Amino acid sequence: EAGVAQSPRYKIIEKRQSVAFWCNPISGHATLYWYQQILGQGPKLLIQFQNNGVVDDSQLPKDRFSAERLKGVDSTLKIQPAKLEDSAVYLCASSLEGTRGTGELFFGEGSRLTVL
Amino acid sequence: DAKTTQPNSMESNEEEPVHLPCNHSTISGTDYIHWYRQLPSQGPEYVIHGLTSNVNNRMASLAIAEDRKSSTLILHRATLRDAAVYYCIPRSNYKLTFGKGTLLTVNP
Repeated sequence: EAGVAQSPRYKIIEKRQSVAFWCNPISGHATLYWYQQILGQGPKLLIQFQNNGVVDDSQLPKDRFSAERLKGVDSTLKIQPAKLEDSAVYLCASSLEGTRGTGELFFGEGSRLTVL
Repeated sequence: DAKTTQPNSMESNEEEPVHLPCNHSTISGTDYIHWYRQLPSQGPEYVIHGLTSNVNNRMASLAIAEDRKSSTLILHRATLRDAAVYYCIPRSNYKLTFGKGTLLTVNP
């Protein structure tokens, strides 16, 4: 079974530039998550989708971050303009169950962003 | 969200059992207790989860206290590949909120 695919794996940009990350969840998984992990910390949930609807985006900095999940499958996370503090690994995860599921999340390998 | 307390780090020797503790005294009655681990330069990986009863799978065992205020992840024979950060997470509804976890070092 194919896992969660993310690209690019690495990205280096200058501050105030824009960047986009792509995620392809496991086939059939209804729920998709984007997490931000700053070095030395645990992952922080940015946004959660159930199919193509947003369930929780309370920790997404909406002045610069945006995310969409077209047709309830692939998702993109965009940062515009980037700040130095956005340097982090952006992790995508998916799960089979709906919002009240107790099952496991499957994570991709992440996209490492460095903002200079 | 329920708060968790885990040791910052633990050390073990290869092929010995490891008991990773977690306190979650504010957990609600319906929160499942999830454990994930994160190997260096990889995304987190599911280990095990449970509600009230102890649970076993091919990776580990989960022992849950009767009052559910604490739990222990048990690796029966640690290997070098088990060196990782281990996260204990009470799953509140749909949310999986990570703390800092426990960094497990396995000595050869």
